[in-house]
Amino acid sequence: AQSVTQPDIHITVSEGASLELRCNYSYGATPYLFWYVQSPGQGLQLLLKYFSGDTLVQGIKGFEAEFKRSQSSFNLRKPSVHWSDAAEYFCAVGPTSGNTPLVFGKGTRLSVIA
Amino acid sequence: EAGVAQSPRYKIIEKRQSVAFWCNPISGHATLYWYQQILGQGPKLLIQFQNNGVVDDSQLPKDRFSAERLKGVDSTLKIQPAKLEDSAVYLCASSLGGGRGTGELFFGEGSRLTVL
Repeated sequence: AQSVTQPDIHITVSEGASLELRCNYSYGATPYLFWYVQSPGQGLQLLLKYFSGDTLVQGIKGFEAEFKRSQSSFNLRKPSVHWSDAAEYFCAVGPTSGNTPLVFGKGTRLSVIA
Repeated sequence: EAGVAQSPRYKIIEKRQSVAFWCNPISGHATLYWYQQILGQGPKLLIQFQNNGVVDDSQLPKDRFSAERLKGVDSTLKIQPAKLEDSAVYLCASSLGGGRGTGELFFGEGSRLTVL
């Protein structure tokens, strides 16, 4: 069965510091991979997605993620965090064909300190 | 382009009462999803519609939850009777579906339910 693991429940970083959020997935084939962000009281907003080609994908708000097939990982990175990046981040996996819905990880809550 | 619309944003009810949530997806999106997000957890799929047909409702607690999408556009999710553990945010999402696009889901802002 498909599954997504986000091993870090909560991460705190200083403003201006670099960030890496981990995501590992279990899937029968190469999936589509997504990172979503959720600010308090809001729905989920897509940060970036991978479905083919270059394994390093760029997203909105200065985020990037790298797909590593050998490690079944899709870690999210940002070189310099801003206070407004404080939010919940969800990794999700979906099929490259068919109509199977996305499966989400439990999320990583990011806090940013001055 | 208008996004996914949901209402109400907030609802507080007592246990054993009923509640209904409404969702209007992005125009042209064939697939509609209802996810339940309990505090501190990721979204969990409740039901998926393709046009007006149910694709997956395996995780929908059918003794108390029901959902419909009669005309293949907007959808209603109902809970009756509500339990304390139903307190959550109910997220509606839509996608192009039918093998089109890359499976990206577009989410509404959610309906937060508190059951007392």
